[in-house]
Amino acid sequence: ELKVEQNPLFLSMQEGKNYTIYCNYSTTSDRLYWYRQDPGKSLESLFVLLSNGAVKQEGRLMASLDTKARLSTLHITAAVHDLSATYFCAGRPEGQNFVFGPGTRLSVLP
Amino acid sequence: DADVTQTPRNRITKTGKRIMLECSQTKGHDRMYWYRQDPGLGLRLIYYSFDVKDINKGEISDGYSVSRQAQAKFSLSLESAIPNQTALYFCATSDIRGTGVHNEQFFGPGTRLTVL
Repeated sequence: ELKVEQNPLFLSMQEGKNYTIYCNYSTTSDRLYWYRQDPGKSLESLFVLLSNGAVKQEGRLMASLDTKARLSTLHITAAVHDLSATYFCAGRPEGQNFVFGPGTRLSVLP
Repeated sequence: DADVTQTPRNRITKTGKRIMLECSQTKGHDRMYWYRQDPGLGLRLIYYSFDVKDINKGEISDGYSVSRQAQAKFSLSLESAIPNQTALYFCATSDIRGTGVHNEQFFGPGTRLTVL
């Protein structure tokens, strides 16, 4: 059974700084997903990582996947306040359902 | 217009009442899901359906039931609501048809349910 962990669970950072959110998963997952959730809102898909070594970038966010280490990272470059949200990673083993991590609540302070 | 809609968006009810949450989608996806979200616990799967004739329990199905009325509609019922079912409920869809499809889930706006 796939288990997904994220760390940190809470992250407070200043604007302009860089930081990385880590997503570890316990068994093979053929895909790894990152979602963003603003307070009181729905989940929005950010990235889908399909294979080992995959790297996707959108603006100040970059996601990568290392299937051998069962690790995905979400790197934030030069954070801005608009990036404040909760970020979830999720795995989906072949033939099984999505399993979400607990989320990382990010606050970017001026 | 939103691809995945949920009604109601907010609901306050009393213990023991029957509640139905509805989800509709215009994405043409076969797969639909119901999740609940509690603070610090991420999303937990309640039920899922891969087509109209296929209904499956998720990890926390006790106290809930579902109905897939059509490809586009998937309803979640709480037969006798209890306070620990107070949560944010999300409907989601996904599809597997075609090549190069990422199969990501698309979420509705959520229903905030409070059981007093």
